[in-house]
Amino acid sequence: DSGVTQTPKHLITATGQRVTLRCSPRSGDLSVYWYQQSLDQGLQFLIQYYNGEERAKGNILERFSAQQFPDLHSELNLSSLELGDSALYFCASSISGRAQDTQYFGPGTRLTVL
Amino acid sequence: AQSVTQLDSQVPVFEEAPVELRCNYSSSVSVYLFWYVQYPNQGLQLLLKYLSGSTLVKGINGFEAEFNKSQTSFHLRKPSVHISDTAEYFCAVGGGADGLTFGKGTHLIIQP
Repeated sequence: DSGVTQTPKHLITATGQRVTLRCSPRSGDLSVYWYQQSLDQGLQFLIQYYNGEERAKGNILERFSAQQFPDLHSELNLSSLELGDSALYFCASSISGRAQDTQYFGPGTRLTVL
Repeated sequence: AQSVTQLDSQVPVFEEAPVELRCNYSSSVSVYLFWYVQYPNQGLQLLLKYLSGSTLVKGINGFEAEFNKSQTSFHLRKPSVHISDTAEYFCAVGGGADGLTFGKGTHLIIQP
């Protein structure tokens, strides 16, 4: 158990819909990362937050957005969903958000878009 | 920009045999290198990481990796594998501004 929690575990929805994925980091970690894992693209970095502020942006679509709240939990919002958005979405946390920090991964949320 | 190449998508090995999983990286900045393991239906768990110093890094579960700057490699090794080592292994590079950059993964298959 990494100490990172993600809800829900599974999400099934239809094209065009909007969903919210939630992540609680390990106690004491200030930085949260979101990754997408799909069969064709592999594991891709989406976005990073540190203490409530966006720190880095990766291959995140404009239809996707995220935020980190004062209690440090984070939410990833996916809208106008397409079939290709079906993937496993991981949240990770680290203590200070530096590149050399170990990132601790949650169990993931499996999103299926029908 | 950074990139990671894991040369083998699948590696079958007999139980108690040694194994090496290959990883090559490319980066224009200082690199930090990581190996993560993903067991079925689970998140990723750190095996080991290289930040600086000794090029031989020891990790959990008997794994080790060697950083080779001239060959831009960070291969993962274990002298004797067990059935429980069956999993997906990911090499990753950090140091840029874009989180971790992962390779495509290597599926380690342990045969009895």
